[in-house]
Amino acid sequence: DTAVSQTPKYLVTQMGNDKSIKCEQNLGHDTMYWYKQDSKKFLKIMFSYNNKELIINETVPNRFSPKSPDKAHLNLHINSLELGDSAVYFCASSRGTAALEAFFGQGTRLTVV
Amino acid sequence: AQTVTQSQPEMSVQEAETVTLSCTYDTSESNYYLFWYKQPPSRQMILVIRQEAYKQQNATENRFSVNFQKAAKSFSLKISDSQLGDTAMYFCAFSSRAGAGSYQLTFGKGTKLSVIP
Repeated sequence: DTAVSQTPKYLVTQMGNDKSIKCEQNLGHDTMYWYKQDSKKFLKIMFSYNNKELIINETVPNRFSPKSPDKAHLNLHINSLELGDSAVYFCASSRGTAALEAFFGQGTRLTVV
Repeated sequence: AQTVTQSQPEMSVQEAETVTLSCTYDTSESNYYLFWYKQPPSRQMILVIRQEAYKQQNATENRFSVNFQKAAKSFSLKISDSQLGDTAMYFCAFSSRAGAGSYQLTFGKGTKLSVIP
């Protein structure tokens, strides 16, 4: 029973394409996140949604657009992919309080060629 | 803004020995939470241990324990009886409020730990 699941796990695509990464959590959490891990393993938050409402929108190109159809899902759509978008993208969820840790998906390794 | 610093990019330890990973942070908040996450080669982010800043007692989870020094803003992780399965990247993280019931984790740059047989 996967708590936070992302699809696909690997994604190879050409520059200029549009792609989506899907995320679902079955933990009943209110808050979901997207994090980006670069080639040096540095993790940085991109977006946060609480009850389908966008809370955090860090300095991310507007080619990245999150969509939360319901509390259990947070998808990431990326337009006009660039080489620099290559990274591992993690979805995570939490119960919305700092006392409880975030649960992470297995990550999606995106490679733009 | 919160910052988290891990000053050891790489460390190694002999199997069954003890190793300590360092983490310092900077914040103006008085109540917050700190975490250590482990990322093995499988890429999965796994919570190792959590510490609430208002608790003076250091958290422990089996072979993992922390040395939390609030005044010094230090949060080190001690791994006792190191096992081969402990080989991973270890990330220190600080949880801060981001607004409207949402919190965000700020991560350090990680320490790559290798356990040597």
